[in-house]
Amino acid sequence: QKEVEQNSGPLSVPEGAIASLNCTYSDRGSQSFFWYRQYSGKSPELIMSIYSNGDKEDGRFTAQLNKASQYVSLLIRDSQPSDSATYLCAVTFAGNMLTFGGGTRLMVKP
Amino acid sequence: NAGVTQTPKFQVLKTGQSMTLQCAQDMNHNSMYWYRQDPGMGLRLIYYSASEGTTDKGEVPNGYNVSRLNKREFSLRLESAAPSQTSVYFCASSEANGSPYEQYFGPGTRLTVT
Repeated sequence: QKEVEQNSGPLSVPEGAIASLNCTYSDRGSQSFFWYRQYSGKSPELIMSIYSNGDKEDGRFTAQLNKASQYVSLLIRDSQPSDSATYLCAVTFAGNMLTFGGGTRLMVKP
Repeated sequence: NAGVTQTPKFQVLKTGQSMTLQCAQDMNHNSMYWYRQDPGMGLRLIYYSASEGTTDKGEVPNGYNVSRLNKREFSLRLESAAPSQTSVYFCASSEANGSPYEQYFGPGTRLTVT
């Protein structure tokens, strides 16, 4: 069974802090990794994709991938109350199918 | 450019009734997907269509059928609804030949089966 694991949270951080969201996956052969943000009652929105080991930065977001440790993370710098949402990690295990983790709920407190 | 659209937004069915959820995308994507999302269960793949004319089962296909009507449209049918099918249903699409496997989601359909 291909699995993607996330801590469900909630992860609570003060406004302006760095939020660190983590995800582990079960298959060493996985090639593509994604972070989605989902506001309550809304659909998932793609915010980051990463395919190679190392860091990828996009504005306040940084995705980090370590394939040897089967670990992918998302850092949100200068967290804002508007970042409060559930963050879903997704991994491709076979072809173009994604397997999603259960999500981590992030709360940014003013 | 509307992206991925879904109809209806909300639906209430009685046990045993049937319905079809509609999904369309205007991004010229090859692949389309149907997911359900339940509290504590995350997103689970029901069916997908890698390209026009093909469909395949995902993780939880029982009780559902799909039709890839053309490149733009992918419908999900519940032939005899059960309370266990109460969920939020999302359609998604991706361009497997371009940005590898990045999927874009529609707004969802909230279905309640009583």
